[in-house]
Amino acid sequence: GQQLNQSPQSMFIQEGEDVSMNCTSSSIFNTWLWYKQDPGEGPVLLIALYKAGELTSNGRLTAQFGITRKDSFLNISASIPSDVGIYFCAGPTSGTYKYIFGTGTRLKVLA
Amino acid sequence: DGGITQSPKYLFRKEGQNVTLSCEQNLNHDAMYWYRQDPGQGLRLIYYSQIVNDFQKGDIAEGYSVSREKKESFPLTVTSAQKNPTAFYLCASSRRGGRESRQETQYFGPGTRLLVL
Repeated sequence: GQQLNQSPQSMFIQEGEDVSMNCTSSSIFNTWLWYKQDPGEGPVLLIALYKAGELTSNGRLTAQFGITRKDSFLNISASIPSDVGIYFCAGPTSGTYKYIFGTGTRLKVLA
Repeated sequence: DGGITQSPKYLFRKEGQNVTLSCEQNLNHDAMYWYRQDPGQGLRLIYYSQIVNDFQKGDIAEGYSVSREKKESFPLTVTSAQKNPTAFYLCASSRRGGRESRQETQYFGPGTRLLVL
């Protein structure tokens, strides 16, 4: 099935560093969702974006809905060890009832 | 607390056996979904349901069956026809499953890990 492309696939960073990841699609989305998944757990919603150009923050996390509506970005500032996990982007496909998920960005934080 | 519950956390299946995974939500959501996640992989849609007594196949429905007799519940049965059932299964829900998907958000349960003996 169709997937969203996320980059990078994985990254190691030092504690305290800022992190950036993005998600791109060949088609337009009206909503962008960002999730974090810890090992053995279900994804937890971090941020939801509903409007092109929208910039939304949740604590140290900031996400943006791209102007073209074909991409979205997630930034984590001053990373801490508990930021470790897999980050997924997702969005409902227009005209259907399905959600499309990104391939995930695996984040590892070195203390 | 409102949310989605899945049980059991771990499930073991013997060869040739059908097993059923439970998913319950008290969010009053119309739409519910089942996904399969394999190690290091993304989420693949098995089945989804927009309303009670209605459901559609996702991308990998073969070897699985579902029912939606109540709004709160969407159990998934992994049948003996599913030859590679070992995976992490995630249930999710969203407020409505309508085509106008603006302002929609999907929430997930904690997952069930299925292992084959």
